[in-house]
Amino acid sequence: SQQGEEDPQALSIQEGENATMNCSYKTSINNLQWYRQNSGRGLVHLILIRSNEREKHSGRLRVTLDTSKKSSSLLITASRAADTASYFCATGRSGNTGKLIFGQGTTLQVKP
Amino acid sequence: GAGVSQSPSNKVTEKGKDVELRCDPISGHTALYWYRQSLGQGLEFLIYFQGNSAPDKSGLPSDRFSAERTGGSVSTLTIQRTQQEDSAVYLCASSLVHGGGTPYEQYFGPGTRLTVT
Repeated sequence: SQQGEEDPQALSIQEGENATMNCSYKTSINNLQWYRQNSGRGLVHLILIRSNEREKHSGRLRVTLDTSKKSSSLLITASRAADTASYFCATGRSGNTGKLIFGQGTTLQVKP
Repeated sequence: GAGVSQSPSNKVTEKGKDVELRCDPISGHTALYWYRQSLGQGLEFLIYFQGNSAPDKSGLPSDRFSAERTGGSVSTLTIQRTQQEDSAVYLCASSLVHGGGTPYEQYFGPGTRLTVT
C-alpha cells in the first residue's frame, strides 16, 4: 500500500507563478524525499529532508516537514515551462533507511 | 560516471511467457531497489537488496516474481508466466547506504516498459 498521498493530483499554472504540492503520510519516518519524473520514465532526486528538520531549500525549491501533522510541502518558486513534470514524495521509515514508499504524485503543468 | 542502466528498454511478451529484466547499478552503490509503475500511478516497491543482507521481498506481488543480485552488482528481475496485469514500467534504483541509519537519495534507471499481450 502507498504511504504518501499527494495533493493536488494535478496542478496547472502560468510561468512565473509559484507551485505548491503537499504530501501526507501515515507512519513514523526517518526521512522524506521529493522526486521528479519526466515522460513517465526515470525519476530524479530533488531534495531530502530528515525527520529532525523542518525546512530545507535548494535553488528554487523549498521543502517543509511537519512530523506532528505527518505532512510535507514542496514549493517551486518562479516556475518555468521546464518544470512541467510529475512530482512524487517518498518516505523512509525509522529503522529502515533504505526502502522508500512513494506517493501517487502530483502532475504539474507550467504554461509558457 | 555512468548512471543506472536497465535493459531492455521495452519488452513485449505474450501472456504466459517468462521475462527477465536487467539492472546495472552505479558502481559502488550497495543498495539496489526494484519498483513497478503502472500507467499514471505512483511507484510500487517490489524488492530491496542491501549488501550481503537478505533482501526485503515484502513488495513482490506474487510468487511469479523473483529477483537476484549477483556479486553485489547486477540484478535481474524475473516474472514467470506473465499476466496482462503485469504490464507496467519496471524501475530500478541504486543508492549508497551507510551504517548508522543515514538516508541517501536513490538514483533511478530509465526503466523497462513491459507489455503483456
